[in-house]
Amino acid sequence: DQQVKQNSPSLSVQEGRISILNCDYTNSMFDYFLWYKKYPAEGPTFLISISSIKDKNEDGRFTVFLNKSAKHLSLHIVPSQPGDSAVYFCAASKGSGNTGKLIFGQGTTLQVKP
Amino acid sequence: KAGVTQTPRYLIKTRGQQVTLSCSPISGHRSVSWYQQTPGQGLQFLFEYFSETQRNKGNFPGRFSGRQFSNSRSEMNVSTLELGDSALYLCASSASRDRGDTQYFGPGTRLTVL
Repeated sequence: DQQVKQNSPSLSVQEGRISILNCDYTNSMFDYFLWYKKYPAEGPTFLISISSIKDKNEDGRFTVFLNKSAKHLSLHIVPSQPGDSAVYFCAASKGSGNTGKLIFGQGTTLQVKP
Repeated sequence: KAGVTQTPRYLIKTRGQQVTLSCSPISGHRSVSWYQQTPGQGLQFLFEYFSETQRNKGNFPGRFSGRQFSNSRSEMNVSTLELGDSALYLCASSASRDRGDTQYFGPGTRLTVL
């Protein structure tokens, strides 16, 4: 069963606009969430994370929102840049001893058009 | 600091053979996790090692095994290869198992089973 779902396989936005990537999860035991970005031929790169005790976390152009009641999180990129074009994965973990065990979504390919 | 390194980067094997993949974590990192990425299943957790002990294991058959050495380097082994084992195998390291310790990924080993 897919515990972490990214229902949009792809997203295309114009440079300078906002990109919103969505992620849903089914396991209420997840308490830590992360977003990774992946370019072809490279491993995933950590972007931003959020603990379940928060509902928002910002880091520069990246903001992650968590709605626990809806079991939904989203990543906002403002403003979007062509270099942001990549595959974005959301991931979740449960319990403090499971940092090394991440459950990933299927990924969303973001294309930012100049 | 050098990043996570994985060797080899590419491998071609035939069904029934076995393969060993190697991962060198970032200097000072003690936790190493392995993931399999396929187009159909996405990124799936294989196992996590910390201080030479397996701490977590994903839902993979016993043909998949791993180990970690005293210098934190890790290897994973797949025996009796099947066509479905063709995938990108990613290794990630983190300083500890504490929440908030980011996992840094290597570039992966692309395994093709013919």
